[in-house]
Amino acid sequence: DQQVKQNSPSLSVQEGRISILNCDYTNSMFDYFLWYKKYPAEGPTFLISISSIKDKNEDGRFTVFLNKSAKHLSLHIVPSQPGDSAVYFCAASAQNNNDMRFGAGTRLTVKP
Amino acid sequence: DAGITQSPRHKVTETGTPVTLRCHQTENHRYMYWYRQDPGHGLRLIHYSYGVKDTDKGEVSDGYSVSRSKTEDFLLTLESATSSQTSVYFCAISESRGGEKLFFGSGTQLSVL
Repeated sequence: DQQVKQNSPSLSVQEGRISILNCDYTNSMFDYFLWYKKYPAEGPTFLISISSIKDKNEDGRFTVFLNKSAKHLSLHIVPSQPGDSAVYFCAASAQNNNDMRFGAGTRLTVKP
Repeated sequence: DAGITQSPRHKVTETGTPVTLRCHQTENHRYMYWYRQDPGHGLRLIHYSYGVKDTDKGEVSDGYSVSRSKTEDFLLTLESATSSQTSVYFCAISESRGGEKLFFGSGTQLSVL
């Protein structure tokens, strides 16, 4: 029962262009959404988050958009840089619930 | 970087043997978690702890047990390892519950032959 889905296993973009990573969820109880970035042989690191009371959150080159009616969120990276090449995990949780659910991840490759 | 140390970093063991993975934190965070990462599944929660001697099951807890005798240490035990438990195991910590961002350790690659 995969409650958080990232349907694109991989994405390749040119340096300087926009990267858009997508995520869908099925559990309407989720009210907090996060993106993590993972390099090989390292643990995931927190990137950006959004509460269900918002539809957009921006942090530098990274913006997360939330569409609650569609149960969809996306991460935009502008401009993309080669150092952004990593696996990105979408995650979701419900208030007072410790079981944060993760998507399968999308491997982003930014080509110079 | 959050002070989280996982040991060992790599382990190869045989089916049927017991295995214990250790997570040590220096952040004094109340909540600690064990996740496993598998291709096509992302990260799945095995067990978590919300205080010393307080633990609860996650999504994939069968075949695993945990213990937390001190705030800083969280142990994951595979009583009798199986090949299906070959995975990368991550420990994580958080200050509070429910939606709080997690800080992850560097992971333990476990191979059960």
